[in-house]
Amino acid sequence: VQLVESGGDLVQPGGSLRLSCAASGFTFSNSWMSWVRQAPGKGLEWVAGMNQDGSEKNYVDSVKGRFTISRDNAKSSLFLQMNSLRTEDTAVYYCATALGGLWGQGTMVTVSS
Amino acid sequence: DVVMTQSPLSLPVTLGQPASMSCRSSQSLVYSDGNTYLNWFQQRPGQSPRRLIYKVSNRDSGVPDRFSGSGSGTDFTLRISRVEAEDVGIYYCMQGTHWPGTFGQGTKVEIK
Repeated sequence: VQLVESGGDLVQPGGSLRLSCAASGFTFSNSWMSWVRQAPGKGLEWVAGMNQDGSEKNYVDSVKGRFTISRDNAKSSLFLQMNSLRTEDTAVYYCATALGGLWGQGTMVTVSS
Repeated sequence: DVVMTQSPLSLPVTLGQPASMSCRSSQSLVYSDGNTYLNWFQQRPGQSPRRLIYKVSNRDSGVPDRFSGSGSGTDFTLRISRVEAEDVGIYYCMQGTHWPGTFGQGTKVEIK
């Protein structure tokens, strides 16, 4: 049972990045999924969440209009499209089941010029 | 957003002794289905968070029984009956009742 994130990178302010999360060992299509981030040396912040069929999506105010969460149940994968990135988006991004029962190892996103 | 306030922020403990930390929410965490979605997480240095307790008092699989959660409404507590060296880390409470889910600032547990 695991979640494996990928796609983190160094990007300039205003740039875009797409994160991926591959799930295995459980029924992904039955699970609410979320992205949570942690800025360096800081606490945890819930960023976006999505229900099982993708019909319901929620975002924290600071990323609304810039980030898009999506999923492919056939491939047991979760995605986070991040546009118009800001320096304050710099963080480790974790993929997690909705109530935090399972977390990935995280992928680092650095927004800097 | 629901504000989660943890105390203390730093908790020096002696090995083998009990430890307790508090979490308060700015509004009731009782959901319309009657459940209270208050979870506790442990984050060891350099690791991903790991859930210890869900819905106030239910231990996740593999979590030692020295960890226990209690509380209701807006006041919650995580207790460690006898602290071990592997318990060093930051403990976060998190509410999943109201969107967006929100975390407390964390309580850092260290050995005296």
